Amino acid sequence: EVQLVESGGGLVLPGGSLRLACAASGLNFSRDWMHWVRQAPGKGLLWVARISNDATITDYADSVKGRFIISRDNAKNTLYLQMNSLRAEDTALFYCARENWGANDYWGQGTLVTVSS
Amino acid sequence: QSALTQPPSASGSPGQSVTISCTGTSSDIGSYNYVSWYQQRPGKAPKLMIYEVNKRPSGVPDRFSAFKSGNTASLTVSGLQAEDEADYYCNSYAGRSNFVFGTGTKVTVL
Repeated sequence: EVQLVESGGGLVLPGGSLRLACAASGLNFSRDWMHWVRQAPGKGLLWVARISNDATITDYADSVKGRFIISRDNAKNTLYLQMNSLRAEDTALFYCARENWGANDYWGQGTLVTVSS
Repeated sequence: QSALTQPPSASGSPGQSVTISCTGTSSDIGSYNYVSWYQQRPGKAPKLMIYEVNKRPSGVPDRFSAFKSGNTASLTVSGLQAEDEADYYCNSYAGRSNFVFGTGTKVTVL
C-alpha cells in the first residue's frame, strides 16, 4: 500500500521559516518525480513545486520561487520543502503527491502551515 | 500563471449527468495533453479521476469521462450518485515546467 505522510507544519511568524517533510512508503521512491501542492483554508488547490527522481531538476510556482526549496533524500524515502520568508498568504494545507502520467496519482493527507503573528 | 477557469458549482439529480468545463489558454490546455481531473471530498486529500485528458486510473468508474477541445477541457459524470458529491479540480501542464489547477467546481447531487 502506498503511503505519503507529511509532517513539519505548524504556526510560524511572518518572515519565518519552516521545513516540511513527506515520508513515502509502498512505492519505488527513487524512481518517482514528486510534487508539493497547497490549499489555503476554504480555497482551491495551488501547485507549488516538483522535483525529479534524482533531484537534478526542480521547478517552482512563481509565487514561491526564491523562497521555497524542494529537495529529497532517496536513501530515506523522504521529500522536503524548505519554506523561507513566509507570508500570511502562505497559510495552507500542504500536500505531497507523486507524479505519474503527468498527473498526481498518490497524495498524502497534508500538513497545515499557519503564518501569523 | 493564472488558474484555469471552472464554474463554481454544478448540480444534478441522481442518475442524471453533469458536465464541468475547465477553460485555459493556448499556453496550457491548448498546447498539452497533460490534463487531469481530481475529486476532493470534504476534509480529504484530492483523488485522481482522469489523466492525460481522458484516461481513467484503475478503480475509477467509467461513469467518469473527459475530453478536450481547443483550450477547454471537460469532465462528465454520468449516472450521478450521492457519493459523487464533492469538489472537482482540473489541472494542466502549463509549459516552462509549471502546472496550473482550475478554480474548482462544487458538484451537488440534488
